Amino acid sequence: KNEVEQSPQNLTAQEGEFITINCSYSVGISALHWLQQHPGGGIVSLFMLSSGKKKHGRLIATINIQEKHSSLHITASHPRDSAVYICAVPSGVTSGSRLTFGEGTQLTVNP
Amino acid sequence: DTGVSQDPRHKITKRGQNVTFRCDPISEHNRLYWYRQTLGQGPEFLTYFQNEAQLEKSRLLSDRFSAERPKGSFSTLEIQRTEQGDSAMYLCASSLADGRSFRNTIYFGEGSWLTVV
Repeated sequence: KNEVEQSPQNLTAQEGEFITINCSYSVGISALHWLQQHPGGGIVSLFMLSSGKKKHGRLIATINIQEKHSSLHITASHPRDSAVYICAVPSGVTSGSRLTFGEGTQLTVNP
Repeated sequence: DTGVSQDPRHKITKRGQNVTFRCDPISEHNRLYWYRQTLGQGPEFLTYFQNEAQLEKSRLLSDRFSAERPKGSFSTLEIQRTEQGDSAMYLCASSLADGRSFRNTIYFGEGSWLTVV
């Protein structure tokens, strides 16, 4: 079992739909990262959260530390939201020395 | 500051050749990470530095791989005697670590694509 699992692996939506991507992890953590990767490789950090909920524009991230689960929501989705969304948790020899990534969710938003 | 820079962005090399990638982190960042990513997979950790010290290396980092950060600023990742299985994107990232380093934002470069033919 992977330390970080995401679902779904692929998601296709129509413009305007509400999107939810889920992340479950098996290691004990105090924070979780949501990242966005566009074709060509560049990764952008969207959120880092350790409890509750964070909102940035149309993006909302929630985390439940006890249940080891996080969700990323996109409201009023738009074709420019099409990307791979990755959750990642800190791990490593020293606290937070590296990230363990999920396999990513490929989101395609059609106009 | 222009963020994390990686060079070259793309490299095609013949099997058996050596390749070197360079990463310039955000200037005040003391931590620098190397990850490898293959198509359809999330990035996998290779190694990280705190200043010039290499503090952790993954088992993925075979003897053919070596990484340096000689002055605690830029870093190089060298792959010797490349194999086709080395074909991947090599991502560099940096962060400013404090006592609660798991709470620090990590900034990624655009990646260096390696194709071994």
